[in-house]
Amino acid sequence: AQSVTQLGSHVSVSEGALVLLRCNYSSSVPPYLFWYVQYPNQGLQLLLKYTTGATLVKGINGFEAEFKKSETSFHLTKPSAHMSDAAEYFCAVSEGDTGFQKLVFGTGTRLLVSP
Amino acid sequence: DTGVSQDPRHKITKRGQNVTFRCDPISEHNRLYWYRQTLGQGPEFLTYFQNEAQLEKSRLLSDRFSAERPKGSFSTLEIQRTEQGDSAMYLCASSLLPGSGNTIYFGEGSWLTVV
Repeated sequence: AQSVTQLGSHVSVSEGALVLLRCNYSSSVPPYLFWYVQYPNQGLQLLLKYTTGATLVKGINGFEAEFKKSETSFHLTKPSAHMSDAAEYFCAVSEGDTGFQKLVFGTGTRLLVSP
Repeated sequence: DTGVSQDPRHKITKRGQNVTFRCDPISEHNRLYWYRQTLGQGPEFLTYFQNEAQLEKSRLLSDRFSAERPKGSFSTLEIQRTEQGDSAMYLCASSLLPGSGNTIYFGEGSWLTVV
């Protein structure tokens, strides 16, 4: 069975500061990994995904994440936070092309950005 | 491409009533998924379709829940005899068949409040 752990239900940063949201996963097969963002009362928008190949993945809005197999991690970073980044962020794992693409989500991290 | 659309966006119902949600996936997407998200939690998988066939159902999907995708296009999720514990956001998503890590696109969700 797959699982995702997101450390920290809330992360607070100042505008312009580094954003780091942590995600660790468990998977018995090579995983596909995803970060989604959710704004209040909205659905989920894909930020970035790792499938195969380059372990440093760049996404939308200046976010990036690095797949580290040895650490079973897929942390999300952004060099400089913007007020518009305030939202809920979800890390998810799937079984990749060998599976039926069911996403297993973490419990989410709420990013708060202060002026 | 108008994205995944869901209707209604919000529904308030009395306990014991039946409710139905509709999802229109991105055109030509073979797979359609239903997830449920409660406050403070990540989305949880309920069921998915490949074309018109329902291929997997989560144990979360009690016998009060039924999902259909009769012509392999739109889908409905019906909840019979609603209970307060059914209050959640119901998310629909769609994707192409697996291959090269095809992205799962989410709709904006249907909020259900059972009073």
